[in-house]
Amino acid sequence: GAGVSQSPSNKVTEKGKDVELRCDPISGHTALYWYRQSLGQGLEFLIYFQGNSAPDKSGLPSDRFSAERTGGSVSTLTIQRTQQEDSAVYLCASSLAGKSDTQYFGPGTRLTVL
Amino acid sequence: AQSVTQLDSQVPVFEEAPVELRCNYSSSVSVYLFWYVQYPNQGLQLLLKYLSGSTLVKGINGFEAEFNKSQTSFHLRKPSVHISDTAEYFCAVRQGAQKLVFGQGTRLTINP
Repeated sequence: GAGVSQSPSNKVTEKGKDVELRCDPISGHTALYWYRQSLGQGLEFLIYFQGNSAPDKSGLPSDRFSAERTGGSVSTLTIQRTQQEDSAVYLCASSLAGKSDTQYFGPGTRLTVL
Repeated sequence: AQSVTQLDSQVPVFEEAPVELRCNYSSSVSVYLFWYVQYPNQGLQLLLKYLSGSTLVKGINGFEAEFNKSQTSFHLRKPSVHISDTAEYFCAVRQGAQKLVFGQGTRLTINP
């Protein structure tokens, strides 16, 4: 079956602009995770969804970052007023409920802020 | 908070040689440990995981890892590597009920 998909695969934006990154999880996976992979910080957890609610947002680096999930499926990560330090690969993962030990990752969105 | 440390940022080996990628964790409680692989321009793929039980865990592509509680280690090994194993490898620990905390990664380069 189809894996986790993310779009766009690459995004180049200017400093100060808003961006939206999309994640489409594996069908039936109610848990969804966002991570960020950057040169300076490695792989960091951002936020976790169970269904449409986000019980753990502890990794969001600032209030410029937000995420939502609708219909228990697609999730959107929004970064407002982008800064150069936001440049990174944003990875999405999904899993069955209660099976966080088996997370399936998407290919990521590479964000470049000029 | 739980964390993992990958001791080598880069490991070069020759094809068909054995390899060990080192990972140490810091936790005084029971841990769930993972190794993920990231091939160039791709997402992460789970290689293997330790949740409980046997301390020797076998994964995909001929990799295995041994959970060593006394040394707080979870080193990844393969007896004979191939060019196709060239990738970045990440050790991770589950923190809390859901999120993964990753090490800095080890870039494995296979030379012919």
